[in-house]
Amino acid sequence: KQEVTQIPAALSVPEGENLVLNCSFTDSAIYNLQWFRQDPGKGLTSLLLIQSSQREQTSGRLNASLDKSSGRSTLYIAASQPGDSATYLCAVRGGNYGQNFVFGPGTRLSVLP
Amino acid sequence: DAGVIQSPRHEVTEMGQEVTLRCKPISGHDYLFWYRQTMMRGLELLIYFNNNVPIDDSGMPEDRFSAKMPNASFSTLKIQPSEPRDSAVYFCASSHSTGLGSYNEQFFGPGTRLTVL
Repeated sequence: KQEVTQIPAALSVPEGENLVLNCSFTDSAIYNLQWFRQDPGKGLTSLLLIQSSQREQTSGRLNASLDKSSGRSTLYIAASQPGDSATYLCAVRGGNYGQNFVFGPGTRLSVLP
Repeated sequence: DAGVIQSPRHEVTEMGQEVTLRCKPISGHDYLFWYRQTMMRGLELLIYFNNNVPIDDSGMPEDRFSAKMPNASFSTLKIQPSEPRDSAVYFCASSHSTGLGSYNEQFFGPGTRLTVL
């Protein structure tokens, strides 16, 4: 059974700092991995999707990497801003025909002005 | 596109009542997912559809839960009878596939916050 963990559970950094969020999964047989952000009381916003054949994806100040063999993904946020404060979740899609979706518990990020 | 639309946004009901949550996926998306989010259990997949057909409902907690997708633009999640432990935020999401085992990103709706008293 796929299990997804995220470290740290919470992170507080000063504005402008670069930071890394971690996501680990136990079953490397995945189709893709997706990073989301969730603001309090809101839905999930897709940030980046990495297919299993890819190593990384970039969007603006965000860079996500995937090491399928070791069951790890990282989300790098450059020059953090107070507006980046949110909970960040990773989710992996696996199963024999992509039927399994497992989310991590999330990392709650606070960027202090 | 307006994105994934869910209604109602908030629902407060009494134990034993029937609750129906609604979702309109993004036009052209062939996958639709229902999730539940709680503080204790995080985000859990309940059921998902491909081309209006339920593919995997192993996440549906009990027979009190049922989901339908009568057409490509509408789905419902029904709880009958509802119980206080069903209180959670229910999300609907959609995505489209490009075939050959390639799946694209999921887009989430704003969620329905359900409170069962």
